[in-house]
Amino acid sequence: GDSVTQMEGPVTLSEEAFLTINCTYTATGYPSLFWYVQYPGEGLQLLLKATKADDKGSNKGFEATYRKETTSFHLEKGSVQVSDSAVYFCALSSGGSNYKLTFGKGTLLTVNP
Amino acid sequence: DTGVSQDPRHKITKRGQNVTFRCDPISEHNRLYWYRQTLGQGPEFLTYFQNEAQLEKSRLLSDRFSAERPKGSFSTLEIQRTEQGDSAMYLCASSLTGGPQETQYFGPGTRLLVL
Repeated sequence: GDSVTQMEGPVTLSEEAFLTINCTYTATGYPSLFWYVQYPGEGLQLLLKATKADDKGSNKGFEATYRKETTSFHLEKGSVQVSDSAVYFCALSSGGSNYKLTFGKGTLLTVNP
Repeated sequence: DTGVSQDPRHKITKRGQNVTFRCDPISEHNRLYWYRQTLGQGPEFLTYFQNEAQLEKSRLLSDRFSAERPKGSFSTLEIQRTEQGDSAMYLCASSLTGGPQETQYFGPGTRLLVL
């Protein structure tokens, strides 16, 4: 079945540091890939997505590229801010008839001033 | 667009009691999903509706769980005879068929604690 493996946390960085959160997946067919973010006390929000190989999703300075050859969708940001502190979830949807999401376990990011 | 709403936000109950949660999707979204999230884990798919039809249920959804979506609008998730293992965050999401790659929008969740 479908599965997502993402970097174990927690990750602690200083402000303006470079961020990478690794995500790899196993899926049938050609899934769509997503990063969701959960800020403290809030619900899941879509951060970015990519629907086919070599697509790059980007939002709020975050980027991730759909790499079919390595089955990866790593999240990167060049300069993190304190406000980026949150839990980040990598997810996939295999489409088909229901588009249900399969999530990784999440990575807690803390950014210190 | 007021987003996906869920009610209640928090529920504390005693083991063996029944609980019901409500989800109001984004208006005109025809697909509605329920997920469960336990501490330190990502959300796990429970069930899915297209309009009023429940089209798929996960093996995680035991016989004590039932979900409905009358008239294809709001949805309810009922848990009968709650157990301590049911303690979790229950998330609802909605999407529009043919919308931007079927993006799912999540509500704030209902946190259930079974004592």
